[in-house]
Amino acid sequence: GAGVSQSPRYKVAKRGQDVALRCDPISGHVSLFWYQQALGQGPEFLTYFQNEAQLDKSGLPSDRFFAERPEGSVSTLKIQRTQQEDSAVYLCASSPGLAYNEQFFGPGTRLTVL
Amino acid sequence: SQQGEEDPQALSIQEGENATMNCSYKTSINNLQWYRQNSGRGLVHLILIRSNEREKHSGRLRVTLDTSKKSSSLLITASRAADTASYFCATDANSGYALNFGKGTSLLVTP
Repeated sequence: GAGVSQSPRYKVAKRGQDVALRCDPISGHVSLFWYQQALGQGPEFLTYFQNEAQLDKSGLPSDRFFAERPEGSVSTLKIQRTQQEDSAVYLCASSPGLAYNEQFFGPGTRLTVL
Repeated sequence: SQQGEEDPQALSIQEGENATMNCSYKTSINNLQWYRQNSGRGLVHLILIRSNEREKHSGRLRVTLDTSKKSSSLLITASRAADTASYFCATDANSGYALNFGKGTSLLVTP
């Protein structure tokens, strides 16, 4: 079946622009995660959804970052007034549920802020 | 902040050789996972080892876990050029669901 998909794959934004990154998880997966991966680093947790509920947003670096999953499937990560330090790969992952430890990752969106 | 630390940062070997990567972490865990990331791609789950397990095998992969030393190792036997990738360990420390990744080991396997 289809894996996790993300769009766009690449995004170039001018500093100060708002961007929206989309994640389509595997159908039926309850849990959805967003991670940020800076160049040469491992992914860092941003936020977690269980169905439509955002249960943990402790990793969001600032109030410019906002995520939603209104119908419990597709999720959008929005970054307002982008800064150069926001440049990174944004990874989305899903899993069938909390009891299932493995996470299935999408290919990521590479964001470059000029 | 990164929970795990992989060692070495980079490893270069020839096809057929074994590759060993190590991971150390800081706090108690329920399980530890290893993921592979090819250049420009997402992460692919390789293997999960629970805190009450000491060793686990999957094909050419062997993972060990020493909770007393808070460390794990990943052994890839009879490596192939297709094994070239970055390898990350991830723990479920703190939240129990969010993965905490190390910085990864970059493995290059030359023909």
